[in-house]
Amino acid sequence: GESVGLHLPTLSVQEGDNSIINCAYSNSASDYFIWYKQESGKGPQFIIDIRSNMDKRQGQRVTVLLNKTVKHLSLQIAATQPGDSAVYFCAFDNYGQNFVFGPGTRLSVLP
Amino acid sequence: NAGVTQTPKFRVLKTGQSMTLLCAQDMNHEYMYWYRQDPGMGLRLIHYSVGEGTTAKGEVPDGYNVSRLKKQNFLLGLESAAPSQTSVYFCASSYLVSGRAAGINEQFFGPGTRLTVL
Repeated sequence: GESVGLHLPTLSVQEGDNSIINCAYSNSASDYFIWYKQESGKGPQFIIDIRSNMDKRQGQRVTVLLNKTVKHLSLQIAATQPGDSAVYFCAFDNYGQNFVFGPGTRLSVLP
Repeated sequence: NAGVTQTPKFRVLKTGQSMTLLCAQDMNHEYMYWYRQDPGMGLRLIHYSVGEGTTAKGEVPDGYNVSRLKKQNFLLGLESAAPSQTSVYFCASSYLVSGRAAGINEQFFGPGTRLTVL
C-alpha cells in the first residue's frame, strides 16, 4: 500500500532555533498534504496544509514545502518554543478517500 | 460548536467482551474516520465513511465493525475484544471541497478513547 515515511524519528532543538521536520511519501497521485501536531494525551491538531498545485505555503511561524519531483514534504518551524514540543505527523490524501499518516517525529525543545 | 466528541474516554474490557465507541461531530462533515494509535506509532485507519449510510475498510479493519446511520455519528464496534485491540482510538471528520480545490480537506480529531483489553 501507499506509505509515508519520516527521515528522523526524533529531533532535539535549542529554544529559539529553527526546526525542520521531513517526510517522504510514495503516492504520486496525492493532491493534498497536511501536518499535524499531537501533544501528549490529546488528539492530533491541524497545523498547516498544502495542495499539489503549490510548492510552498506559510503560516504563523510555520512553513510547509512540497517537492513533488522527489515526493518530499517538510515542515519548518521558526524560532522554536517550548510549546512546540510534541509529535508531528505528516499525512496525505489517498485518492481522495482517506488519509495516510506517517509514524511521527518527536520534537523536543531544549532550554 | 463542540467539534468532534468521543465517548467513552476510557474503558477496560475483558477478552471476549463487546463494546461500541461513539463518535459525534456537529460540523456537518461528509467524511468520518476511525483510527487506532499504538505506542510510538502513527495513526492507522480502521474504517471510514464518505457519507451517511456508507462505510469502507481502512488499513486495519479486522475485528472491528462500523455504522454510519446518521451523518453526525460514526460508531465503532468490537464484537469480541482481544488484547491486541488495546490502543488509543481516535475519531476524525472532514469535509469535501468542490471546485478548483476539489477534494477532502483537513481532518478534525476527537480527544481519543483509551481502551485496555485484559
